[in-house]
Amino acid sequence: AQTVTQSQPEMSVQEAETVTLSCTYDTSESDYYLFWYKQPPSRQMILVIRQEAYKQQNATENRFSVNFQKAAKSFSLKISDSQLGDAAMYFCAYLGGYGGSQGNLIFGKGTKLSVKP
Amino acid sequence: DAEITQSPRHKITETGRQVTLACHQTWNHNNMFWYRQDLGHGLRLIHYSYGVQDTNKGEVSDGYSVSRSNTEDLPLTLESAASSQTSVYFCASRLGNTGELFFGEGSRLTVL
Repeated sequence: AQTVTQSQPEMSVQEAETVTLSCTYDTSESDYYLFWYKQPPSRQMILVIRQEAYKQQNATENRFSVNFQKAAKSFSLKISDSQLGDAAMYFCAYLGGYGGSQGNLIFGKGTKLSVKP
Repeated sequence: DAEITQSPRHKITETGRQVTLACHQTWNHNNMFWYRQDLGHGLRLIHYSYGVQDTNKGEVSDGYSVSRSNTEDLPLTLESAASSQTSVYFCASRLGNTGELFFGEGSRLTVL
């Protein structure tokens, strides 16, 4: 079975600086998708970024980028120029390709990010 | 705008009572999911459905049931609520098997 591990329960960053959140996963599949979701205090789950495993290029969305290392099964999220609004719980998630893992997202336990002014 | 809504947003109930959490989406998505979120566990899958009349058990399905009589709705029922089911529940939907998952705003359930 696939698993997702986020080894940092909590992280802190100074406003305007850069922070990297770690995520590793375990799978025997070759085709899959990886996601980072943000959950602010409002509880709403917001998709931050998505990566297809068959793409070698790392995904980016404005200040958010990933470092996808397929061989190492690592998928870290880098937040540049951190803002107060980035404070949230961040979840890494795995989805098997072509409906693998029964087409269901498997989530890590989350990393709580604090941003200091 | 299309959306996914959950109700109630907050509910307090007593042990042994039946509780139903509603989930309604207007995207016409085939796939719908129920997760629960607990501190230290992240989100865990309870039940999911890939279409009308299709329902499947997830990782933590004991004590829960769902039904899918139409595309828009996937209600989650706790047949006999237990204190261990105190949690925040999220409904989500997705068009296909690999698209973005859209979440509702969550329902906080407290079982006393």
